Amino acid sequence: TQLLEQSPQFLSIQEGENLTVYCNSSSVFSSLQWYRQEPGEGPVLLVTVVTGGEVKKLKRLTFQFGDARKDSSLHITAAQPGDTGLYLCAGVIVQGAQKLVFGQGTRLTINP
Amino acid sequence: SAVISQKPSRDICQRGTSLTIQCQVDSQVTMMFWYRQQPGQSLTLIATANQGSEATYESGFVIDKFPISRPNLTFSTLTVSNMSPEDSSIYLCSVLGPGSYEQYFGPGTRLTVT
Repeated sequence: TQLLEQSPQFLSIQEGENLTVYCNSSSVFSSLQWYRQEPGEGPVLLVTVVTGGEVKKLKRLTFQFGDARKDSSLHITAAQPGDTGLYLCAGVIVQGAQKLVFGQGTRLTINP
Repeated sequence: SAVISQKPSRDICQRGTSLTIQCQVDSQVTMMFWYRQQPGQSLTLIATANQGSEATYESGFVIDKFPISRPNLTFSTLTVSNMSPEDSSIYLCSVLGPGSYEQYFGPGTRLTVT
């Protein structure tokens, strides 16, 4: 069973601070996706990282895929209240059919 | 990306009854997925539904409890049968984007069983 450990599970910080969310596994993933989910809605795909060592930026969000494709991080600079939500990482496994393995999620609260 | 709608958006059901959740996609997709998200938790895959074949269920989920239909490339249903309070969850439909490995999710169906 592939497991994806996501940390921290809860994070509450002040507006303007920086933060990093981590996803770690002992398994290798073909790619890794990051989602953000707001209450009452489904997860929204933020980014997909495919290549080991890849770094992608989405405004104030920086996503990195580990060299061995077993881990990933999401870094937010100058967090804003609009960043509040549940952040989910999901590793992509292709064994015949494709599956997503989700981390436990990080519930982020940015206080004004 | 794909636009996905689900019906109903929420429901409150009595123990022992069944509820069928519908998922409609605005484009033809090969692979559709059904997930469960229990309160405050992450997502757990229930089954993968491909058009023209039987759904493939994950460990801990069985067809008798969660029968799935996939009559065409834009539509699927998930039935939660003989419900108990432990089935109270958000149920999410997801599709694999055309020609890609990226998944897109519907808004979810919030089910409460009393």
